[in-house]
Amino acid sequence: DGGITQSPKYLFRKEGQNVTLSCEQNLNHDAMYWYRQDPGQGLRLIYYSQIVNDFQKGDIAEGYSVSREKKESFPLTVTSAQKNPTAFYLCASRELGGAGVEPQHFGDGTRLSIL
Amino acid sequence: AQKITQTQPGMFVQEKEAVTLDCTYDTSDPSYGLFWYKQPSSGEMIFLIYQGSYDQQNATEGRYSLNFQKARKSANLVISASQLGDSAMYFCAMREDRDDKIIFGKGTRLHILP
Repeated sequence: DGGITQSPKYLFRKEGQNVTLSCEQNLNHDAMYWYRQDPGQGLRLIYYSQIVNDFQKGDIAEGYSVSREKKESFPLTVTSAQKNPTAFYLCASRELGGAGVEPQHFGDGTRLSIL
Repeated sequence: AQKITQTQPGMFVQEKEAVTLDCTYDTSDPSYGLFWYKQPSSGEMIFLIYQGSYDQQNATEGRYSLNFQKARKSANLVISASQLGDSAMYFCAMREDRDDKIIFGKGTRLHILP
């Protein structure tokens, strides 16, 4: 089945540690996105990418880094500089073109907690 | 700057009644798209409906319709004949055509009462 796979489902980070969240899609979508969800805050955009080897910062990029070496993969690294990383992280992808009507498809999310 | 506002943190509605979830937006881009998503307690995001800024008709998808008032920058979601399974978080989102950046509102938690 086509879709977006996020792993792991749950992740624990120690203080001062970098962790990487995986996001893989087999939908052949051009654009991919990372969002952070906190209670009462909705989804906030961290990074997004429209093409391989290119990405843009969203509204809360500080403390995070991404790469887009392959079309199907968009991993997110939560660095030690992110002081409050506990949240639910959602990855999404979308087909570009088509008059912009294409919705985002979302993964099932990764819940990150600090030990 | 883009901005999406959902002013109703929570709503309680009796089963089978219609419900309107409010969404207002702010953008300087004349070309944009508006989306509504549903997020059940399981956490998955389910796409419901889309409205383009140049669409003349309000979008409809089954029991969902979007009341698009462009001059007021309003894109309210209407759910007709609500069901218990409609209980979830609902998010309004906007994409500006110039950069494909998609941002979300804070959401409305809808509770359908039996």
